Amino acid sequence: KNQVEQSPQSLIILEGKNCTLQCNYTVSPFSNLRWYKQDTGRGPVSLTIMTFSENTKSNGRYTATLDADTKQSSLHITASQLSDSASYICVVSASYGGSQGNLIFGKGTKLSVKP
Amino acid sequence: NAGVTQTPKFRVLKTGQSMTLLCAQDMNHEYMYWYRQDPGMGLRLIHYSVGEGTTAKGEVPDGYNVSRLKKQNFLLGLESAAPSQTSVYFCALRPRGRTEAFFGQGTRLTVV
Repeated sequence: KNQVEQSPQSLIILEGKNCTLQCNYTVSPFSNLRWYKQDTGRGPVSLTIMTFSENTKSNGRYTATLDADTKQSSLHITASQLSDSASYICVVSASYGGSQGNLIFGKGTKLSVKP
Repeated sequence: NAGVTQTPKFRVLKTGQSMTLLCAQDMNHEYMYWYRQDPGMGLRLIHYSVGEGTTAKGEVPDGYNVSRLKKQNFLLGLESAAPSQTSVYFCALRPRGRTEAFFGQGTRLTVV
């Protein structure tokens, strides 16, 4: 069964500190992996996409990694800011086509950045 | 996301009442989805549509119906609301051939 597992479920850090969120997946055949950020009361917004051939990709203070062999991804946030407080959702796309079944969502990690 | 508008943003229903949630887009994307999001459960797919006049069931379709008479609108209906349908509902769009989904701001529904 295609699954996406995220850890931790929640995380509290102090402003200015770094943190790393984890995503493990068992999706086959794999197409790509996206990290979404969901602010409280808003819909998720895509942060970055990782394809099979990419190991690391940065978007400002966000750096995503992908290890396709171990089927793991991480999202590293550097020098956290209060505005980073949000839920981060890992979404894996399967490449078997179809409009519905090829987006598999993790349950998200809720990050709280405290001053 | 400015291209996806959900109506209403909040609603309180009594058990047994009916209502329709509207998702309207101006991005001209083919695929439209309705998800529900509950604490600890993540986003779960209710119904989806691959184009005007087509709909299909997702992971948790029971108690919901949908229609897509026009490409830009996707409606989610609750015929007889139940407390278990208390949730936040998100509409999402996706262009054909791409995997990025664009979400609306959500509708918070409470059934008492």
